[in-house]
Amino acid sequence: EAGVAQSPRYKIIEKRQSVAFWCNPISGHATLYWYQQILGQGPKLLIQFQNNGVVDDSQLPKDRFSAERLKGVDSTLKIQPAKLEDSAVYLCASSLRSYEQYFGPGTRLTVT
Amino acid sequence: QKEVEQDPGPLSVPEGAIVSLNCTYSNSAFQYFMWYRQYSRKGPELLMYTYSSGNKEDGRFTAQVDKSSKYISLFIRDSQPSDSATYLCAMSDTNAGKSTFGDGTTLTVKP
Repeated sequence: EAGVAQSPRYKIIEKRQSVAFWCNPISGHATLYWYQQILGQGPKLLIQFQNNGVVDDSQLPKDRFSAERLKGVDSTLKIQPAKLEDSAVYLCASSLRSYEQYFGPGTRLTVT
Repeated sequence: QKEVEQDPGPLSVPEGAIVSLNCTYSNSAFQYFMWYRQYSRKGPELLMYTYSSGNKEDGRFTAQVDKSSKYISLFIRDSQPSDSATYLCAMSDTNAGKSTFGDGTTLTVKP
């Protein structure tokens, strides 16, 4: 069974630039999550999708972050414009049940 | 105050030691309790989960949940250098809701 795929693995941008991350979940997993993990901290949920719909985006900074999940499969997370404090690892996860999430390798973003 | 607090570590033990990793929480609605392991520059991977109170064992790993004290633990017996990683506790109130993670404890097992 293929795992959760993410790309790119690394990205370096300057502040005020835009960036997009892509995630392909495990086949058949209806729920998809995007997390932000700052160095030394645990993953913080940004947005949770159930199929095409948003279940929870309460911690998504909507003035600069956006996410979509087309056709209930792949998802993209965008930041525009980026700030220095957005430097983090962005993790995508998918699951059938919330207590059994499968994570991708993450995208390490550095904003200079 | 965070909903989930985890012993910060870091923790360094000799090979073969018994390791205890702990988390406390404040939300009494949490019903599912998970432990994830995260190797450097990798995504977290689920080790085990427990529903409600009680113990669960899987090989060298034992998870304990005490809902009355809002306290959970992960024990690792006969620790190995390959167990060196960051361990994250996570909790959820339903099987469809979001999970709230602790900040992790970094464990090093020395040969």
